[in-house]
Amino acid sequence: AQSVTQLDSHVSVSEGTPVLLRCNYSSSYSPSLFWYVQHPNKGLQLLLKYTSAATLVKGINGFEAEFKKSETSFHLTKPSAHMSDAAEYFCVVSDREGFQKLVFGTGTRLLVSP
Amino acid sequence: DVKVTQSSRYLVKRTGEKVFLECVQDMDHENMFWYRQDPGLGLRLIYFSYDVKMKEKGDIPEGYSVSREKKERFSLILESASTNQTSMYLCATRRTQVAFFGQGTRLTVV
Repeated sequence: AQSVTQLDSHVSVSEGTPVLLRCNYSSSYSPSLFWYVQHPNKGLQLLLKYTSAATLVKGINGFEAEFKKSETSFHLTKPSAHMSDAAEYFCVVSDREGFQKLVFGTGTRLLVSP
Repeated sequence: DVKVTQSSRYLVKRTGEKVFLECVQDMDHENMFWYRQDPGLGLRLIYFSYDVKMKEKGDIPEGYSVSREKKERFSLILESASTNQTSMYLCATRRTQVAFFGQGTRLTVV
């Protein structure tokens, strides 16, 4: 069975500094991995996805993530935080076999201070 | 753009009431899902459907049922609402592996 672990429930950064949100996954098969973002009072939006092509994946709003099979990680990064990045971020894993159920992590709340 | 519309943003219901949460999508997707979102627990799958009149239990189906009479509409039913069902409910559809979410319904059971 698949699972994801988001290692930090909260991350605080200052505007203009780098962002690192950590995610480790477990999957029996070759996984697909995703990051979703949820801004306050809004639905979830796809940031980026990895589905077995390039291991470094670029997403919207300057975010990117690197798939590292040896470390079973898919950490989300951004070189320079913006106030509008404050939101909750979810790491998601899906097997590429069968029904491909999405399994969500518990979320990381990103706080950005001026 | 895919649109997933949930009928209510906020609902307050009494314990024991039968509650219907409605979700409509406009992109002809086969797969539809209901999740609940609770702080510190992320999103947990309640039920999903991969075709009209087809439904499958997710990870936490107890106390819930669903209905999919038309492809575009997927309803979540709380047969007898209880206070532990107070939560944010999210509907989603999926095309290939990408999920599209509604805005959510925040349900409070008192």
